[in-house]
Amino acid sequence: GEDVEQSLFLSVREGDSSVINCTYTDSSSTYLYWYKQEPGAGLQLLTYIFSNMDMKQDQRLTVLLNKKDKHLSLRIADTQTGDSAIYFCAEKTGATNKLIFGTGTLLAVQP
Amino acid sequence: ETGVTQTPRHLVMGMTNKKSLKCEQHLGHNAMYWYKQSAKKPLELMFVYSLEERVENNSVPSRFSPECPNSSHLFLHLHTLQPEDSALYLCASSRASGGANEQFFGPGTRLTVL
Repeated sequence: GEDVEQSLFLSVREGDSSVINCTYTDSSSTYLYWYKQEPGAGLQLLTYIFSNMDMKQDQRLTVLLNKKDKHLSLRIADTQTGDSAIYFCAEKTGATNKLIFGTGTLLAVQP
Repeated sequence: ETGVTQTPRHLVMGMTNKKSLKCEQHLGHNAMYWYKQSAKKPLELMFVYSLEERVENNSVPSRFSPECPNSSHLFLHLHTLQPEDSALYLCASSRASGGANEQFFGPGTRLTVL
């Protein structure tokens, strides 16, 4: 079946790097995504990675994909207080546009 | 207006009321989605419209009725809801096919059913 799991909470200090992890079960995933949700807002697409890539970097964000272990991570360099939010990973499987979302990781950045 | 907009942002309704949620996208997309976000549960896909045709309905109760009159607008009509339907309802849009089909979300409607 399709299942995406994330740890619930991560606390870091301002200026440190944050690493948010995600595991998924569907080996036919084609794309994997990271979304950010701030309080009272919708989901904001941060980045995505195609399943035949193992790394993608976009400014402070680095996505690592280990397809063999079905493990996805998002690294945020030089974490700022404005990065405090809930982060969701999601996978797209097969030919449909259906996304399966994880339960989200709450990132708390301490000043 | 840019991106994906949703109205109203907040809605309080009784169990016997009828109300509608509206979503509009200004991105030139041709697929639109309704999701339900409840506390401590993964985001649940409710409905998918692609090229104005409903392509997915994830066993949603009939008290939720979607409508997609054109590729820019999506409605969710609500009737005889239950308190457990209280949640954040999110609309999203994307291209219907090709590549990553990134979904872009609106700010959501916070629904409270009394």
